[in-house]
Amino acid sequence: ETGVTQTPRHLVMGMTNKKSLKCEQHLGHNAMYWYKQSAKKPLELMFVYSLEERVENNSVPSRFSPECPNSSHLFLHLHTLQPEDSALYLCASSFAPGPLRGEQYFGPGTRLTVT
Amino acid sequence: ELKVEQNPLFLSMQEGKNYTIYCNYSTTSDRLYWYRQDPGKSLESLFVLLSNGAVKQEGRLMASLDTKARLSTLHITAAVHDLSATYFCAVDPSNTGNQFYFGTGTSLTVIP
Repeated sequence: ETGVTQTPRHLVMGMTNKKSLKCEQHLGHNAMYWYKQSAKKPLELMFVYSLEERVENNSVPSRFSPECPNSSHLFLHLHTLQPEDSALYLCASSFAPGPLRGEQYFGPGTRLTVT
Repeated sequence: ELKVEQNPLFLSMQEGKNYTIYCNYSTTSDRLYWYRQDPGKSLESLFVLLSNGAVKQEGRLMASLDTKARLSTLHITAAVHDLSATYFCAVDPSNTGNQFYFGTGTSLTVIP
């Protein structure tokens, strides 16, 4: 596979469930990102991992827990979510830091619905 | 509060016409990024503008950056239907690749 892949593509979960989103990049990048895309709101950066260390956590509720076991894989663990957490969750990767930093390649996203 | 504002938010234009989308941002950033998102799909990188005065062109799209004015433009020339999409600009005020702020997006519809 090439590029950035995400699984599952669609997820429906209850507020008491625990689930995980998975992202994998095949581009040799060293930074990975989780974004939340909600209707009528700008894309929100949730977490950043650079060289496998978390470097940004933008005031995200603790019910979202990221994990980056290596530079190619990124997970977002979900538990006790709220209906307002329903959104498209996008994973991206890039080179960071350095002169090639910043141009991100996005995965197809996971459409999450919390019931 | 850091802001990245795009205008217009919605744009409906006829095929063959020209138009410009504007991206204003309220912080310093030595780079600016433009992305495209088709309905139901993910974001695709269009341009990375690396410095003040940078201009890049790809097909009917041309992007420019004025870091002093904190303004970027995305100019569409002779629009065609397959340019219909939502266009986002983004800045990285940390200049490290670790912090990105996206604009609200401009939804473009090109009408035959």
